[in-house]
Amino acid sequence: NAGVTQTPKFRVLKTGQSMTLLCAQDMNHEYMYWYRQDPGMGLRLIHYSVGEGTTAKGEVPDGYNVSRLKKQNFLLGLESAAPSQTSVYFCASSYGTSRLSYEQYFGPGTRLTVT
Amino acid sequence: SQQGEEDPQALSIQEGENATMNCSYKTSINNLQWYRQNSGRGLVHLILIRSNEREKHSGRLRVTLDTSKKSSSLLITASRAADTASYFCATDAGGSNYKLTFGKGTLLTVNP
Repeated sequence: NAGVTQTPKFRVLKTGQSMTLLCAQDMNHEYMYWYRQDPGMGLRLIHYSVGEGTTAKGEVPDGYNVSRLKKQNFLLGLESAAPSQTSVYFCASSYGTSRLSYEQYFGPGTRLTVT
Repeated sequence: SQQGEEDPQALSIQEGENATMNCSYKTSINNLQWYRQNSGRGLVHLILIRSNEREKHSGRLRVTLDTSKKSSSLLITASRAADTASYFCATDAGGSNYKLTFGKGTLLTVNP
């Protein structure tokens, strides 16, 4: 099993450009999450999904959109990138209610720089 | 806002010594988790302790939870250079078991 994978690993955008980050998991997890990690700030939840076709806002959702059309994929979109969105983005997944397991499994991260 | 706050922010010890990190949180929880992050990598789950548990062990890890003080500690015994990493506590504030709030982490450096 590959676990949680993220594409791309690195990206540089100019202000105003758009992009989509892809997260894929092969563990049949119900729940998926997108976090951002900034120096000295720990991880902050952007959006999450409790199942295919459902999404919800986290702590810092502004400027981001998400979609979960397939259970194994969770996409994070930036419609008009801003320098404040320079960060490392992590995707995670968990079993959720299917196994009452609360451990989250993380991807390797995407380092995004907006100039 | 951060639910969990780790203390200290950074810790440097010699190989073989024990390392203790603390986490304080603000609201009631169902469970508390500890994660490790090696430099440039994703987080890895270490251990989960439920609100009705006081202590839990996993290999060289020992976690305690004091719900009256809203605090937890992670003890790593007989540390190794490979334990060098950032350690985060995560709580499920808000009543959801599945939505976690992470602290800012403790950077542990184990010198050979």
